[in-house]
Amino acid sequence: EAQVTQNPRYLITVTGKKLTVTCSQNMNHEYMSWYRQDPGLGLRQIYYSMNVEVTDKGDVPEGYKVSRKEKRNFPLILESPSPNQTSLYFCASSLGRGGALAKNIQYFGAGTRLSVL
Amino acid sequence: SQKIEQNSEALNIQEGKTATLTCNYTNYSPAYLQWYRQDPGRGPVFLLLIRENEKEKRKERLKVTFDTTLKQSLFHITASQPADSATYLCALLILSGNTPLVFGKGTRLSVIA
Repeated sequence: EAQVTQNPRYLITVTGKKLTVTCSQNMNHEYMSWYRQDPGLGLRQIYYSMNVEVTDKGDVPEGYKVSRKEKRNFPLILESPSPNQTSLYFCASSLGRGGALAKNIQYFGAGTRLSVL
Repeated sequence: SQKIEQNSEALNIQEGKTATLTCNYTNYSPAYLQWYRQDPGRGPVFLLLIRENEKEKRKERLKVTFDTTLKQSLFHITASQPADSATYLCALLILSGNTPLVFGKGTRLSVIA
């Protein structure tokens, strides 16, 4: 089954304790991205990756890191989490960007609810 | 400044009626506009995509229009059912700049039986 898998689904941590949220897709998609969703603010893009070893900042990259060493995986790293990073996080992937319509359809993971105390 | 707005946070309609959701944007030149459905606690799911040179797209009970002059998209659900209750997000695909896909905040639709 084609899917985007995020882990963990729920995470409670304390300020300053490094954490990684994993994301994996089995659709051979080139484009992957991370979003956070907050009440009243909607979905905001944190980082995206056009392909292996190619990453770029989205709208709200501060406090986050990503890496894209393999096509299928795109982990989100919080080196020193703070309470304002408490949010619902989504990983998404698509075939690509631009060109044929189907390339731009985003497939989302089920989400990771993070609480930083 | 660039903005994307969905007409209301919440919309209640009677079962069987047509729900119409609005997405307006300013200062963007999107190549495509997409609509997604999001259920509570789940990730958004793609519904429809419409190109800048297309006026209308249909899929079963769903219809999307795109007016680049008005900078507006309308999303219609005909013969609405309680199962259509969800949050609906519009998203602009910009082919330049840092953030290629920009989402609206969503409209929470409740279809009342």
